[in-house]
Amino acid sequence: DTEVTQTPKHLVMGMTNKKSLKCEQHMGHRAMYWYKQKAKKPPELMFVYSYEKLSINESVPSRFSPECPNSSLLNLHLHALQPEDSALYLCASSQDGHQGAGELFFGEGSRLTVL
Amino acid sequence: GENVEQHPSTLSVQEGDSAVIKCTYSDSASNYFPWYKQELGKRPQLIIDIRSNVGEKKDQRIAVTLNKTAKHFSLHITETQPEDSAVYFCAASNSGGGADGLTFGKGTHLIIQP
Repeated sequence: DTEVTQTPKHLVMGMTNKKSLKCEQHMGHRAMYWYKQKAKKPPELMFVYSYEKLSINESVPSRFSPECPNSSLLNLHLHALQPEDSALYLCASSQDGHQGAGELFFGEGSRLTVL
Repeated sequence: GENVEQHPSTLSVQEGDSAVIKCTYSDSASNYFPWYKQELGKRPQLIIDIRSNVGEKKDQRIAVTLNKTAKHFSLHITETQPEDSAVYFCAASNSGGGADGLTFGKGTHLIIQP
């Protein structure tokens, strides 16, 4: 299995809602990432988990809360989002968190619309 | 932190011609340089990567060159085909100190004219 699976594929939420994005990989990768991508822009790093510990938080607002329940799963909890948070949220994984990023395997993304 | 500049932002070439996309990076500690292709509505997919201990790498019609002294690297696509049309992102990271993600360039929209 060489896939990174993200759910849901599409999500529409109001500014007062609480929702979660989920990501799963079964490649034995020890580093997992959340990226945010706006239309016609490059992916922007949000969070990095290495061996299930949060190693990088790129000054992301607290309305985004990551969680790594185990080495295969990564969640992104969303609360009180703003319309400008509408974007494609990409999860990625890479082989060994201690050896550095190496190749990132991206999921298909969750397209979020905040009304 | 790392800063990656990518040029051009749009590149239009005739089918069968070559395409070259260039990137520069700022952090001399960066040592891993991948190129990703992203088709409309799809995820970024790795097409080729190079580490700092080599100057060139080739995979069929795609090649990447790296000049560590000048801190720039380039993607070369030969004999372009319509399916090469996509947005291409270069990226850089320092893979020596743990998972740190990638810093991406702004992307190049490659258009292959039939």
